[in-house]
Amino acid sequence: DTAVSQTPKYLVTQMGNDKSIKCEQNLGHDTMYWYKQDSKKFLKIMFSYNNKELIINETVPNRFSPKSPDKAHLNLHINSLELGDSAVYFCASSQVDPTDTQYFGPGTRLTVL
Amino acid sequence: QKEVEQDPGPLSVPEGAIVSLNCTYSNSAFQYFMWYRQYSRKGPELLMYTYSSGNKEDGRFTAQVDKSSKYISLFIRDSQPSDSATYLCAMSSYSSASKIIFGSGTRLSIRP
Repeated sequence: DTAVSQTPKYLVTQMGNDKSIKCEQNLGHDTMYWYKQDSKKFLKIMFSYNNKELIINETVPNRFSPKSPDKAHLNLHINSLELGDSAVYFCASSQVDPTDTQYFGPGTRLTVL
Repeated sequence: QKEVEQDPGPLSVPEGAIVSLNCTYSNSAFQYFMWYRQYSRKGPELLMYTYSSGNKEDGRFTAQVDKSSKYISLFIRDSQPSDSATYLCAMSSYSSASKIIFGSGTRLSIRP
């Protein structure tokens, strides 16, 4: 199936740990994004990459580091996890035209204990 | 003040009713207006997309944008139980079209 996929779907970990979330899209899109959705459903952009180049970097702690090995993949690595990092993280992708539809992955539910 | 304000609901209506969902915004630079639907435990999916002011209709869904009032609406006619979801308004500016600012979402429930 053509889609945006994320792994893992659920992630439960202890404070202070380092974890990674992977995202892959097979839609042939050039732009990929990471969003964070908190417990109140507020969805906020974190990063955007166009063809492996960082183009949007919102005010996010530098414990969060995105990595794009190629334009079909955008991974998110989080160091020294904190309780406030608990949220659902969504990956999305779109064509190079910034007005094009963004397609979202199913989300990764991160719980930090 | 948030850039985009949306009543979180929940909103519960009987099947067949007309539903009206609304958002207000403060940034007059916003030109692109969207409505996303998000089912429980799923990612958001684009429902409607409009550019600048005016109306757009797609089946049972109508999106309205009033830039003078900084107010956007989504109307759902003949609502179905399958429309039960969280609806997120979203918008972006011409200069930062890919940087979408989302409302907090309205949880909608359609009672059979």
